[in-house]
Amino acid sequence: DAGITQSPRHKVTETGTPVTLRCHQTENHRYMYWYRQDPGHGLRLIHYSYGVKDTDKGEVSDGYSVSRSKTEDFLLTLESATSSQTSVYFCAISAQGQGVNSPLHFGNGTRLTVT
Amino acid sequence: DQQVKQNSPSLSVQEGRISILNCDYTNSMFDYFLWYKKYPAEGPTFLISISSIKDKNEDGRFTVFLNKSAKHLSLHIVPSQPGDSAVYFCAARGAGNTPLVFGKGTRLSVIA
Repeated sequence: DAGITQSPRHKVTETGTPVTLRCHQTENHRYMYWYRQDPGHGLRLIHYSYGVKDTDKGEVSDGYSVSRSKTEDFLLTLESATSSQTSVYFCAISAQGQGVNSPLHFGNGTRLTVT
Repeated sequence: DQQVKQNSPSLSVQEGRISILNCDYTNSMFDYFLWYKKYPAEGPTFLISISSIKDKNEDGRFTVFLNKSAKHLSLHIVPSQPGDSAVYFCAARGAGNTPLVFGKGTRLSVIA
C-alpha cells in the first residue's frame, strides 16, 4: 500500500456536523492528494498539497478544507457535512508530483456517509 | 466538461480472450496518460502509462496504445484472466505537475 494509511475507514455522520479525515504516509513523499469517488463520476480531485503548508484546490473543492502541518499527514475537513458529500474518499501520494516516473499511490479509502 | 471519457461503463470478456478498454480525451495539451485498476474496497493501483512521444507501451499482458491524432488511447489485456476483473480508470495530465484528470471508469468482468 506504499505506506499510506487513511483513518477512519468508515464513518457515518449527521448533516451539519464537522468531519475530519486523516491521511498518513510513511514514504516522505512531497505531494499528497485527496480524491472522492462517486458512481458515474469516477475520481475527482478535491485538494492537493505540494509541501508542508502548501496546498491548492482541485476540481471539487467547495465545502472542503485541508491542512498539512507535517510531511506525513494531510487532513481533509468537511466544516459542515452535507448529504452530497457522502462518498468514498481516497488519499494519494507521489514523490515528484504526477510526473512520468512518479505515478500516484493510493490509500484504501474512507467511506463517509452523511445522514 | 469531461476531458477524459470512458464511454463504456462495463465490459464482459471470456477468460483467455483479449480485453480492450477505450479512452478518449479532448485536451490536446495532455502529454501523459495512465491506466489504474481498482478492486472493491481497495484504492486504485497504477497499471501502465504512456507519454505522448510514444504510440505504444507494453508490460507483460498489458499494452497501452496511443493515437494522438484521434485523441484516443486503449488498454489491451491478453490473455484476460478472472483476476483482471476490476474497474479500470484512464487518466491524463498536461505539462508540468498539473493534477491528473480521471475518466469515470470501465468495469471489466472476465468470465471463466
